[in-house]
Amino acid sequence: ETGVTQTPRHLVMGMTNKKSLKCEQHLGHNAMYWYKQSAKKPLELMFVYNFKEQTENNSVPSRFSPECPNSSHLFLHLHTLQPEDSALYLCASSRLAGGRGGETQYFGPGTRLLVL
Amino acid sequence: SQQGEEDPQALSIQEGENATMNCSYKTSINNLQWYRQNSGRGLVHLILIRSNEREKHSGRLRVTLDTSKKSSSLLITASRAADTASYFCATDTGRRALTFGSGTRLQVQP
Repeated sequence: ETGVTQTPRHLVMGMTNKKSLKCEQHLGHNAMYWYKQSAKKPLELMFVYNFKEQTENNSVPSRFSPECPNSSHLFLHLHTLQPEDSALYLCASSRLAGGRGGETQYFGPGTRLLVL
Repeated sequence: SQQGEEDPQALSIQEGENATMNCSYKTSINNLQWYRQNSGRGLVHLILIRSNEREKHSGRLRVTLDTSKKSSSLLITASRAADTASYFCATDTGRRALTFGSGTRLQVQP
């Protein structure tokens, strides 16, 4: 166990549904991340939060809405997704985030999302 | 294009053999990290090498870093079937979050 948990582990949703992914870290870290991993594509960084403030948004469509209520919890709210959004969504945490030097990221097991 | 790019994209070896994976990057870095991912799971940190280090060992892992060539290699010695996974390098430039490469898929045949 890495100290980062994600729920649910698997999710099937229709294009009109609204769902949320949850991530929790028990490591006392201050930075949290959302990644998207599609088949045969590199890992795509979606959002970065540092001390609850969003510090990176890599041109992610607005149908993905992140929320970071505190340094231990991170959510990804999903609405009106497309089939091409089907992927493994990974959450990670680190002591600090980019620009402050030398973070090692700890990943959760991921949520496998299928959009029908 | 990716800051870190691994080579080869896929590698298949027999148990007991050594596996070598390479990573090239474009900009100056503070450190370079290697991660492992079992199929459909999260990534697990393996080893970090700082920009002022040339070589680092951890168990059966050996990492080298050549900042003049902007490249790193990961060597897994005496491979086991359980080493079958994807391996990613990630670069820390100190200016933004880690940038991951596209990975090398390693298959170790028993």
